[in-house]
Amino acid sequence: DQQVKQNSPSLSVQEGRISILNCDYTNSMFDYFLWYKKYPAEGPTFLISISSIKDKNEDGRFTVFLNKSAKHLSLHIVPSQPGDSAVYFCAASSSGNTPLVFGKGTRLSVIA
Amino acid sequence: EAGVVQSPRYKIIEKKQPVAFWCNPISGHNTLYWYRQNLGQGPELLIRYENEEAVDDSQLPKDRFSAERLKGVDSTLKIQPAELGDSAVYLCASSVGSGSYNEQFFGPGTRLTVL
Repeated sequence: DQQVKQNSPSLSVQEGRISILNCDYTNSMFDYFLWYKKYPAEGPTFLISISSIKDKNEDGRFTVFLNKSAKHLSLHIVPSQPGDSAVYFCAASSSGNTPLVFGKGTRLSVIA
Repeated sequence: EAGVVQSPRYKIIEKKQPVAFWCNPISGHNTLYWYRQNLGQGPELLIRYENEEAVDDSQLPKDRFSAERLKGVDSTLKIQPAELGDSAVYLCASSVGSGSYNEQFFGPGTRLTVL
C-alpha cells in the first residue's frame, strides 16, 4: 500500500508559468515532508522541506504547501525554467529515525 | 566538497551470478543508506548504518543480500545470487546524522541489469 502517492506521472508546463506538483499521503504519523529533484543518471537532490507545524515554506522560486487535514502537499515552482525539467519525488517521515517514504515521482517538462 | 561516490555506475550480469556495489560517503557523514529504486518507483530503503552498525535492515532481503561498513566509512552491498527481479538502480546516500531532519545526499547510483 502506497503511503505517499504522486498521482500524476508527468506534467508539462510552459517556461515562465507556474508548475504545481501534488502529493498525497495516508499515514497520519508523518510529520516531515520533503521534495527531491532527480536528473537522468544522477541521484536525487534535496529541494525543499516542510514540518507539520507549518503550512507553507518558501525558498526562492520554490514553495511547498501542506494541508494536514487533507493529507496533501504541493510544490509550486514560479516561474518555471527549462532547467527545472526533472523528476520530482515527494517523501515523508515520522519524527525521529524512521526512514523516508518516497512517492513514485512526477516528471516535469518545462517547455521553452 | 566531493559528493557520494558509487561504483560501478552500470553492471550487467546473468541471473544466479554474484554482484557487489561500492559506496564512499561524504567525508564526516556518519549515517549511510542503501536504497533500491525500481523502474517507475521511488527509492526504497534497504539498510541504514550509523557508523559501523546496521540500525535498520528490516527491508533487506537477507537470504541473498548482504552489506557491510567495516570502518564506518565505505560500504559494500552484495547480492548473491542475483535474480531477474533485482534489476534496479541501487542508490547510496549519506547524512551527518540519522534524524529525519538531516539532509540525505545521494550518489548517482548503480544501474543493475540481470539477464
